[in-house]
Amino acid sequence: ETGVTQSPTHLIKTRGQQVTLRCSSQSGHNTVSWYQQALGQGPQFIFQYYREEENGRGNFPPRFSGLQFPNYSSELNVNALELDDSALYLCASSLRAPGTNYGYTFGSGTRLTVV
Amino acid sequence: SQQGEEDPQALSIQEGENATMNCSYKTSINNLQWYRQNSGRGLVHLILIRSNEREKHSGRLRVTLDTSKKSSSLLITASRAADTASYFCATGRLNQAGTALIFGKGTTLSVSS
Repeated sequence: ETGVTQSPTHLIKTRGQQVTLRCSSQSGHNTVSWYQQALGQGPQFIFQYYREEENGRGNFPPRFSGLQFPNYSSELNVNALELDDSALYLCASSLRAPGTNYGYTFGSGTRLTVV
Repeated sequence: SQQGEEDPQALSIQEGENATMNCSYKTSINNLQWYRQNSGRGLVHLILIRSNEREKHSGRLRVTLDTSKKSSSLLITASRAADTASYFCATGRLNQAGTALIFGKGTTLSVSS
């Protein structure tokens, strides 16, 4: 539907474990951002990557980390999972560089449940 | 923390009626964007309005922006059942490393036939 693919769609993990979420952006989309959306809330910015380098970070602890690859794919890694990490994780990409007036294309998200 | 607040939190209307959602924000912005989200899935970009624009149209959507009041509104005319979704405003700031979209909590719109 949107050209941004996230995997897996659903995931259940145990507290303390580590998880890797993946995102495949459209070709040419050099900017990718990750968001966390708790139930009933708006998305919260985790961090952004531009041309494989972190380009900004929201109010999330260091156990949230990411990578962006040359093939326009990216990863979100979360270590030492906590129950409050249960949320929908959204990847968003843009053709334009950060700081431009341009909308983002979002993936359908990964629903993470921590038990 | 969340920058914007949408009002109302929930809105129920009949097909054919107009739906108006409002958004207020706190800091200076360079653009404001509206997104739609169906049933906890991904967000779909609807419209972007720059800070030097006051009104913008796209199909049945009309967005206004009042930077003096730090507010925006989204009007959906002639609503359809398929418009049932959550709507979020998001503010974007330029000239900052790592420009992020700051979202509000959203308005849940229900359109019944």
